[in-house]
Amino acid sequence: QKEVEQNSGPLSVPEGAIASLNCTYSDRGSQSFFWYRQYSGKSPELIMFIYSNGDKEDGRFTAQLNKASQYVSLLIRDSQPSDSATYLCAVTANQAGTALIFGKGTTLSVSS
Amino acid sequence: DGGITQSPKYLFRKEGQNVTLSCEQNLNHDAMYWYRQDPGQGLRLIYYSQIVNDFQKGDIAEGYSVSREKKESFPLTVTSAQKNPTAFYLCASSPRTSGSRYEQYFGPGTRLTVT
Repeated sequence: QKEVEQNSGPLSVPEGAIASLNCTYSDRGSQSFFWYRQYSGKSPELIMFIYSNGDKEDGRFTAQLNKASQYVSLLIRDSQPSDSATYLCAVTANQAGTALIFGKGTTLSVSS
Repeated sequence: DGGITQSPKYLFRKEGQNVTLSCEQNLNHDAMYWYRQDPGQGLRLIYYSQIVNDFQKGDIAEGYSVSREKKESFPLTVTSAQKNPTAFYLCASSPRTSGSRYEQYFGPGTRLTVT
């Protein structure tokens, strides 16, 4: 059974701090990795994707991928109260990328 | 204004009734997906379709049915055989061009309550 594991949290950080969200996956064949943000009662919103080892930066967000360790992380710099949400990690389920496997999500709380 | 629409936003049904959830997209995406989300369970894949007139079962297809007669539309029927139908249902779509890596975009969801 292919799995994606995330710490459920809650992860609490003060406003302006760096939030670090982590995800591990079981399938070494996974090719693409995604981070979604989901506000309470809303649908997931794609915020980052990464395909190659290393870092990818987009504004305050940085995704980090280490395929050897089967580990992907999301850093949020200068955290804001509006970043408070559940963050879902997703990886491709097969080589064809026809489906994604989602983790259960990490709840982030940013206090002002 | 491109996007994915799902209707209705909230749906209430009596046990034993079939119900169909609508999903439409105008993003010209080839692939479409249905997920179910329960509290603390994450997203679980019900069905997906990569092209018109073709679809595959996901991890929890029992008690559900789909059709894909048009590229833009992928309705989901929750049948009376589904043991625990109350959940948040999410439709997603994905481009399948050579430049994409199958990122999925979600509609707003339908919250189904069966009593």
